[in-house]
This record gives sequence, C-alpha cells and structure tokens, in this order.
Amino acid sequence: TQLLEQSPQFLSIQEGENLTVYCNSSSVFSSLQWYRQEPGEGPVLLVTVVTGGEVKKLKRLTFQFGDARKDSSLHITAAQPGDTGLYLCAGDSGTYKYIFGTGTRLKVLA
Amino acid sequence: NAGVTQTPKFRILKIGQSMTLQCTQDMNHNYMYWYRQDPGMGLKLIYYSVGAGITDKGEVPNGYNVSRSTTEDFPLRLELAAPSQTSVYFCASNRRDTEAFFGQGTRLTVV
Repeated sequence: TQLLEQSPQFLSIQEGENLTVYCNSSSVFSSLQWYRQEPGEGPVLLVTVVTGGEVKKLKRLTFQFGDARKDSSLHITAAQPGDTGLYLCAGDSGTYKYIFGTGTRLKVLA
Repeated sequence: NAGVTQTPKFRILKIGQSMTLQCTQDMNHNYMYWYRQDPGMGLKLIYYSVGAGITDKGEVPNGYNVSRSTTEDFPLRLELAAPSQTSVYFCASNRRDTEAFFGQGTRLTVV
C-alpha cells in the first residue's frame, strides 16, 4: 500500500516566519502535486512537479521534488495569515490514481 | 463553466439506509475520483475511473460502489450505511498529469 506521510501534522507560527512542510514516501511517483484546502471547500492545486530534483517557485512558496521522486517539500517564506489552511501532497504512481498525503494544517497568526 | 458538481451538499442517513452521491463534470475529463475526508485528515481514495465503463478500487472501497456509464457522471453508492461512513466526500476529475478539479463536497452523517 502506498503511503504519503506529511510532517509536521500541525504547525502554528507567527506572521513573517518561514516554514517547511515535508511529504515522504517509500514509493516512486511519476508526478506529485501540492494542494491547499480551506474549510468547507475542496482542495485547490498549487503546483505539479514531475522531474526528480525539480524546483518550482510560486511567489513566496518553493516546491521541491526529491531526486528519487519519493519525497517533496514545500517551503513558505515570510508566512502570512492568508497562508492558513490544510496543505496536501498527492502522488501519482503512474496508475492514474492520485494518493493523498496525511495533510499539514498550518495556522499563521497575525 | 460549472466544473465539478456534487449533490447533495449535506445529508443525514440512518444506519442501514442507502443513498447515492451524485457527481457530474462538464470538462470532458476522462479521469474521475471519489475521496473521503475525515475531520482534520487527508483524503482517502475510494474509487476511481479512467473513462466511461471503467472503474477500479482505491484505498478504502469497502461499503461503496460506483458506476461510470458516461464521461460526465460518476455516482457513488452507499449500501447499508454505517457510522464509520460519516465523512466529507469529494469528487474530482482531471486529464492525466494535470490539475484535479474538486467539487464542493458532500457532508454525510450516519446516525
């Protein structure tokens, strides 16, 4: 069974701090996605990474796909209260089904 | 452009009752998925489909059934509802390796 473990599970930080969220698996993924979900809504895609070692930046968010395509990280610089939400990674093993990680709930305090 | 539409948004079921959660998408996506999300947790894949007439089990299929008679629709059937099926259910669709679009979710309570 494929498993995507995210850490930390919960994170509460002050506005302006930096943070990193990790997504780890023992399985290889052909692609990996990061989503953000707000209460009462479905997840919304932030980024897709496909190539091992790939780094993508989205404003203050930096996403990295591990060289072996088994893990990924999301780094937020100078977090803002609007970054608050549930962050989910999702991996595609090549069998068309996306398996989601356990989630990281982020709260940024003003 | 409606995207992915789920109905109903909320439902309370009694133990042993059955119901169908509806999902339809108007983006002509081949791939469709059903997930459940328990409070504060990530999403668990129940069933998925790679095209009309093709369905397959995900991580937690027990207690559920699906069908995919058209590209647009992917209903999820609960037979003999149990309290363990209390959750928020999300339907999603995409083309392979592209963004998955999610519906607004169906909040189901089994009492």
